[in-house]
Amino acid sequence: IQLTQSPSSLSASVGDRVTITCRASQGISSYLAWYQQKPGKAPKLLIYAASTLQSGVPSRFSGSGSGTDFTLTISSLQPEDFATYYCQQLNSYPSITFGQGTRLEIK
Amino acid sequence: QVQLQESGPGLVKPSQTLSLTCTVSGGSISSGGYYWSWIRQHPGKGLEWIGYIYYSGSTYYNPSLKSRVTISVDTSKNQFSLKLSSVTAADTAVYYCARDVYDSSGYSLYFDYWGQGTLVTVSS
Repeated sequence: IQLTQSPSSLSASVGDRVTITCRASQGISSYLAWYQQKPGKAPKLLIYAASTLQSGVPSRFSGSGSGTDFTLTISSLQPEDFATYYCQQLNSYPSITFGQGTRLEIK
Repeated sequence: QVQLQESGPGLVKPSQTLSLTCTVSGGSISSGGYYWSWIRQHPGKGLEWIGYIYYSGSTYYNPSLKSRVTISVDTSKNQFSLKLSSVTAADTAVYYCARDVYDSSGYSLYFDYWGQGTLVTVSS
């Protein structure tokens, strides 16, 4: 299963509302997770099961969708949110795949 | 707090076998409830799942790497390991280990704990 994220890169300002989309090449139910990665660091889990917020993750992050179309929304960008975001599908047993990433930059 | 730490050579010659170990602390691999995964990231690129192992030794590999990958577990040391054979420059990447939570159907749900990653360079 292929995952296509859009956009590939995005410029935004602190306080903006941002939405990143992830489309699966076939249905994956809700087996989708979102990660944030900063340079030189391991990815950090934000959202799993498409819409469940991982413990400790700020509530400005939210996820939605099922089947083939998913979104990650950051309601009000904070300086620490500038990073690369990846979606991950876990339904194509036994192969797990990631999207190509969305780089979120400061405008 | 669960922690994972990768270790192994940072430089491997072409055609040789890459070997890495992930040591888990703050939790037991044998407790069940998790798969234990390897993921890699080519320089400046996205993430690629390599495979995972269950504490019983059951393994699942990315079909694109399956012919060259072996993942094993040593529950006595609370470690799991990756071997990737016949490496080329295309295998140069940061390699991560991670804990993989699965649901009642056995499907992975997410990777909640990751090691910090280790860069492996394939070069003569």
